Amino acid sequence: DIVMTQSPESLAVSLGERATINCRSSQNVLYSANKKNYLAWYQWKPGQPPKLLIYWASTRESGVPDRFSGSGSGTDFTLTINTLEAEDVAVYYCQQYYSVPRTFGQGTRVEI
Amino acid sequence: QVQLVESGGGVVQPGSSLRLSCAAAGFTFSTHGMHWLRQAPGKGLEWVAGTSSDGINTVYADSVVGRFAISRDNSKNTLYLQMNSPRTEDTGIYYCARDMDTGASGWPIDYWGQGTLVTVSS
Repeated sequence: DIVMTQSPESLAVSLGERATINCRSSQNVLYSANKKNYLAWYQWKPGQPPKLLIYWASTRESGVPDRFSGSGSGTDFTLTINTLEAEDVAVYYCQQYYSVPRTFGQGTRVEI
Repeated sequence: QVQLVESGGGVVQPGSSLRLSCAAAGFTFSTHGMHWLRQAPGKGLEWVAGTSSDGINTVYADSVVGRFAISRDNSKNTLYLQMNSPRTEDTGIYYCARDMDTGASGWPIDYWGQGTLVTVSS
């Protein structure tokens, strides 16, 4: 199985500042045939189901604010939240869908 | 909008059986792969099983293979998870989720339900 490791476990950021979350996979999730990274980011708020933010490592899901961005390739990825807003308080997870079983990082809690 | 509503959770004894259901609405169910995921108390997210849009292709986590079965009824817009011989470690919140594409692999999950709690205990 591909092991996904996120850092940090938690992050306190001031309103308007930037939050950066890292995700590392134990194996390459870049498929050479189509040059796509099979990596997604989810936001999970209490009482709500997880919400897809980013897929293919850097493609923003429809309706997701452009302050959220994803980057990276191969085994190292980053989710950046620019100008943090109060509504961004949540736990963020990375997930690889390159191979079965799909696996998740352990989550990063973002607080104000 | 996309709605996924799980049901069927509850308390079940080890070694018995339980069937979870997921009612889908707001999209063409028969054109999307579907998945079950879970979160055990105090643990991270775990993908459990997936099925293609036509129900022909299914994939499972090693932890449930041979015990759980994912299936779907496209005429009823419903996804199922048959849980046979559950173990205490199967306790958790079970989530139904939609694949962005028709298969059970290779595309991200884009919508999740609210979950249903399964407790395996004697």
